[in-house]
Amino acid sequence: DAGVTQSPTHLIKTRGQQVTLRCSPISGHKSVSWYQQVLGQGPQFIFQYYEKEERGRGNFPDRFSARQFPNYSSELNVNALLLGDSALYLCASSFLQAEFYEQYFGPGTRLTVT
Amino acid sequence: EDKVVQSPLSLVVHEGDTVTLNCSYEVTNFRSLLWYKQEKKAPTFLFMLTSSGIERKSGRLSSILDKKELFSILNITATQTGDSAVYLCAVEGRGSTLGRLYFGRGTQLTVWP
Repeated sequence: DAGVTQSPTHLIKTRGQQVTLRCSPISGHKSVSWYQQVLGQGPQFIFQYYEKEERGRGNFPDRFSARQFPNYSSELNVNALLLGDSALYLCASSFLQAEFYEQYFGPGTRLTVT
Repeated sequence: EDKVVQSPLSLVVHEGDTVTLNCSYEVTNFRSLLWYKQEKKAPTFLFMLTSSGIERKSGRLSSILDKKELFSILNITATQTGDSAVYLCAVEGRGSTLGRLYFGRGTQLTVWP
């Protein structure tokens, strides 16, 4: 079975631009979460989606938005990019509804804002 | 505010040494604590701990949780160069925060041959 996939792998944008990152969860997983990992820090929670609805949002500005599609894949959009948005963006998928479950991470998208 | 603190932030050892990584947390409505290993990009799952005092073991790695004192440790025995990585501790809440992970900064482990 394929793991969590993310695209693109790397991305370079300039300040003020907009970016869309994509994530495909493990087959059968209905929950997708997005995390931002700045160099030297642990991942920070951005969004969680379950069954195509937003279940939670972290302390990120409205420039960050996301959605989940009927096939459970997800997109993260960031508008008006700032230098501080440079980070590794991780997607995680899980069953969520099971009593005990694990969250599996994708390889991430490395975003560089210049 | 929920908080996860890992120590030490950095550790350098020689092959064969045993290391202990620490994670303390302050999270309301605690559900589980997870350990991940991050080498280059994707954190890879190591352990999930939900009950106090029950040791989880996988080869040379083991972990235990103390829900009364709000901490967990990750032990690695007979370290190898392949153990060099960042080890992340994350805590998950219940209810409205179910599935949301709060991470610590990680411990950078370097194992020299």
